[in-house]
Amino acid sequence: QQPVQSPQAVILREGEDAVINCSSSKALYSVHWYRQKHGEAPVFLMILLKGGEQKGHDKISASFNEKKQQSSLYLTASQLSYSGTYFCGTENRGSTLGRLYFGRGTQLTVWP
Amino acid sequence: DTGVSQDPRHKITKRGQNVTFRCDPISEHNRLYWYRQTLGQGPEFLTYFQNEAQLEKSRLLSDRFSAERPKGSFSTLEIQRTEQGDSAMYLCASSLALWRENERGTGELFFGEGSRLTVL
Repeated sequence: QQPVQSPQAVILREGEDAVINCSSSKALYSVHWYRQKHGEAPVFLMILLKGGEQKGHDKISASFNEKKQQSSLYLTASQLSYSGTYFCGTENRGSTLGRLYFGRGTQLTVWP
Repeated sequence: DTGVSQDPRHKITKRGQNVTFRCDPISEHNRLYWYRQTLGQGPEFLTYFQNEAQLEKSRLLSDRFSAERPKGSFSTLEIQRTEQGDSAMYLCASSLALWRENERGTGELFFGEGSRLTVL
């Protein structure tokens, strides 16, 4: 039930772009994205509810392909502050809603 | 501070002892979640409450774990007869339910700083 994230780690220079993928074997009701910095709590980035939906703020955006049971997070012109571990959390259709399954995370490191 | 608060932040205990963690959610949130996180892993669901009702509990959670949310306010997570494998960060989160398609899904989770448990 846990979604699979790829890649496991990304190293970037400031200003470069990155894509993080999240894939589930289950039909999805929603997809959440969170970022966690070392020693801190995860912080919400965005939630996607509808197939085809795309959301974004600043230079971080995400898309949701409901048919493929996948979501992608796009980080454009990365900044040092983007460093951290990114988690997708999925809520499955056909099961009790309210339970988020988190992936293992993608560690993003941005160097100056 | 109106965020989610957890207490204690750190707990070191000997194997076999009982420990209790407390979580105070954001006051207007009706949902409260407990997750466990170990190094290099994502948060693992333990249980959640809608107001005072415990709606789901992970099958991975043994009978040594119990959670309560009296009166739908703060929550406690108790671990009895702790084992070394219980060592982890215990995260509490709160949210509002998200109505969509006549169902109540999960809204944005606001996490607390966590309670780190070390079992010797």
